[in-house]
Amino acid sequence: QQQVKQSPQSLIVQKGGISIINCAYENTAFDYFPWYQQFPGKGPALLIAIRPDVSEKKEGRFTISFNKSAKQFSLHIMDSQPGDSATYFCAASRYGNKLVFGAGTILRVKS
Amino acid sequence: DSGVTQTPKHLITATGQRVTLRCSPRSGDLSVYWYQQSLDQGLQFLIQYYNGEERAKGNILERFSAQQFPDLHSELNLSSLELGDSALYFCASSIGQINSPLHFGNGTRLTVT
Repeated sequence: QQQVKQSPQSLIVQKGGISIINCAYENTAFDYFPWYQQFPGKGPALLIAIRPDVSEKKEGRFTISFNKSAKQFSLHIMDSQPGDSATYFCAASRYGNKLVFGAGTILRVKS
Repeated sequence: DSGVTQTPKHLITATGQRVTLRCSPRSGDLSVYWYQQSLDQGLQFLIQYYNGEERAKGNILERFSAQQFPDLHSELNLSSLELGDSALYFCASSIGQINSPLHFGNGTRLTVT
């Protein structure tokens, strides 16, 4: 029940395209769903987060879509750029503690 | 720069040895978290401290221990090291309130030979 399943494992997108990464969770007690971006040699950095009382949150080119009934959430990166090439992790927790991470998606944006 | 400082950046040691990883949280953050990142297990929560007290425990082995000191820095002690303990160890900090964001350091890469 603690698992967060993330797909795809890797993704190649053309510059200017939309990158979509999906996650699914089991534990209905989770109430906080962040996305992290990690570059090689660096720690994960918080991109955007959502709580289950909203269905969508947008910050710049990054949007989280949340489907509470399906227990799924996704990250959309609009107008993807080569600088977005990184590993993306979804996560879930209750009260923001003990984040449970997905396995990660390696995104490559081709110029 | 997240403001979270981890030392050392790299550590190479032999099986059976003991090492200490150090973390200085962001200024003002009271909570410290330790995570292990490996290729096969991904990012795994180990333990959380809040203002010096243990707050939550995850998949932390009995050979591992941690503490948070009065100045809020934290240390993760790994003993009787095994080859499988080779991983990236991340420290993160937050102000400690509900759903406050976690800020990660750049990690310590541990290699056990």
